[in-house]
Amino acid sequence: GENVEQHPSTLSVQEGDSAVIKCTYSDSASNYFPWYKQELGKRPQLIIDIRSNVGEKKDQRIAVTLNKTAKHFSLHITETQPEDSAVYFCAASITGNQFYFGTGTSLTVIP
Amino acid sequence: ETGVTQTPRHLVMGMTNKKSLKCEQHLGHNAMYWYKQSAKKPLELMFVYNFKEQTENNSVPSRFSPECPNSSHLFLHLHTLQPEDSALYLCASSQEGTGAKGNTIYFGEGSWLTVV
Repeated sequence: GENVEQHPSTLSVQEGDSAVIKCTYSDSASNYFPWYKQELGKRPQLIIDIRSNVGEKKDQRIAVTLNKTAKHFSLHITETQPEDSAVYFCAASITGNQFYFGTGTSLTVIP
Repeated sequence: ETGVTQTPRHLVMGMTNKKSLKCEQHLGHNAMYWYKQSAKKPLELMFVYNFKEQTENNSVPSRFSPECPNSSHLFLHLHTLQPEDSALYLCASSQEGTGAKGNTIYFGEGSWLTVV
């Protein structure tokens, strides 16, 4: 089955700096890669996603890049704000079923 | 906004009790999931149902028993649990198949379970 690895497990950045979280996957058939943000005590919520036919996608301060050859994808958050502090999960999926999640990255933005 | 609702949000039960968690999705999806989330651990997939049929059971102890009466409802029946089963139980749904918009997985708010 698919194996998703996520790094780093914890990340602290100063407010205004950028944060990058990286994930690798093992199954070349995976074709859908969502990212979730989970604030303390709340459910994971989708923040951005990318399909295998796209190399990069951006939504305001958040961007995701995908390298199919190397089988890795990354989340980039620019101009970080304290409210960006949360746990972020990457996932890989085939046809919208069998989602495999990374182990999560706890991001702390220091004011 | 949530298309996946879970009840109860909090549950405290003794080790000899029998209780159930309920999940309902209003998104027209055909797949539903139960995940377990413990402190400092990744999301653990417990059960997957596609079109009401269980397609995956990741070696979950028999004290957890899922039920999917239709594609919109999912239950997790709990019986003689252990304290280490205390965790956040997340229900989720998705639309299987290519071409569907998003194909992503949507989570409910979760049920916080404490076993005493």
